[in-house]
Amino acid sequence: DAMVIQNPRYQVTQFGKPVTLSCSQTLNHNVMYWYQQKSSQAPKLLFHYYDKDFNNEADTPDNFQSRRPNTSFCFLDIRSPGLGDAAMYLCATRVSGGQETQYFGPGTRLLVL
Amino acid sequence: GEDVEQSLFLSVREGDSSVINCTYTDSSSTYLYWYKQEPGAGLQLLTYIFSNMDMKQDQRLTVLLNKKDKHLSLRIADTQTGDSAIYFCAERATGGYQKVTFGTGTKLQVIP
Repeated sequence: DAMVIQNPRYQVTQFGKPVTLSCSQTLNHNVMYWYQQKSSQAPKLLFHYYDKDFNNEADTPDNFQSRRPNTSFCFLDIRSPGLGDAAMYLCATRVSGGQETQYFGPGTRLLVL
Repeated sequence: GEDVEQSLFLSVREGDSSVINCTYTDSSSTYLYWYKQEPGAGLQLLTYIFSNMDMKQDQRLTVLLNKKDKHLSLRIADTQTGDSAIYFCAERATGGYQKVTFGTGTKLQVIP
């Protein structure tokens, strides 16, 4: 049973054309994360939500935005994708106060043409 | 800031043991994790160890933690071809929102 779901698994967009990636979870976790992972690199945290509180990493470009309309869903919006934004985007969730383990979705691979 | 280092590549024969090493810099880390990533997939949590432990065993997996040297290792006994993947070490910092920092990953190749 999928617990962290990401759609679509593969996304192709054009240079400069806005794109939205989605993540949903059935775990009722209060913390949700978005990571960017480029080829042969470690996942890089972009931002996270602690409940409704949005926390942006200092080096996350302004081009990247996020929305969390409710506990289950979180969206990553890339306003004007550049060629350098082609990567795997991973969503993860965590429940605070427990073992603090992050559960990852399968990722969305973004290709920018 | 936090920094997590891993060797990039490890090759072992099927049936042998694999040992993947990791060093980290944040001495106040509370949890240390090992994740597995297969091609085109997300990260799968394999195991974790709390910082007040020296060792944790879970079936074929053994995690050793040397806090003095800030060294973490993952031993996979009787390595199988299905173990071929990239393995990421990660540490969870204290303070703030307890950010998790990942290492660069070690690609494990299992030779039949």
